[in-house]
Amino acid sequence: KAGVTQTPRYLIKTRGQQVTLSCSPISGHRSVSWYQQTPGQGLQFLFEYFSETQRNKGNFPGRFSGRQFSNSRSEMNVSTLELGDSALYLCASSLATSGRKDEQYFGPGTRLTVT
Amino acid sequence: AQSVSQHNHHVILSEAASLELGCNYSYGGTVNLFWYVQYPGQHLQLLLKYFSGDPLVKGIKGFEAEFIKSKFSFNLRKPSVQWSDTAEYFCAVTRDDKIIFGKGTRLHILP
Repeated sequence: KAGVTQTPRYLIKTRGQQVTLSCSPISGHRSVSWYQQTPGQGLQFLFEYFSETQRNKGNFPGRFSGRQFSNSRSEMNVSTLELGDSALYLCASSLATSGRKDEQYFGPGTRLTVT
Repeated sequence: AQSVSQHNHHVILSEAASLELGCNYSYGGTVNLFWYVQYPGQHLQLLLKYFSGDPLVKGIKGFEAEFIKSKFSFNLRKPSVQWSDTAEYFCAVTRDDKIIFGKGTRLHILP
């Protein structure tokens, strides 16, 4: 079974621009979560989508948004990029048959650099 | 605020040494607990998890963790580490629909 895939793997943007990241979950997984990983803050939860609906949201500004399509693929968008948005963005999918108990399967991440 | 603390940010050990990485959380009530590992150049992957039952949980690669409810802790242990255990380790706690990760512990094993 193919794992979680994320595209692109690397991205360089300038301040003020916007960016869209894509995540394809493991086949059959209906939940997709997004995380921001930085050396200082570790893994911070951005949001979770389940059946095309945002089910949970972390404490990030409204510049960070996402959506999920009917095939469970998800996109994350960051508008008006700031230098502090430079990070590794991880996507994780899970079956979500029992809420938060499910193991999450992580993708390789998208390394975003904002200059 | 709810939080997960991993007190050791960077640990250096020699091969065959014993390992214990601390994880404490501030949630009350029923929680689910996880340890994830990120080997160099690889994806985050699950090491072990605790939902209920025996508080001593065994995971992959000889790792185990003990849930001590009274101490709000879920420490990760391995009796004898190997060079291949060099990685970053993350503790995570879920309660209801919320999940919080600790900031991670970088483990470096000297050959």
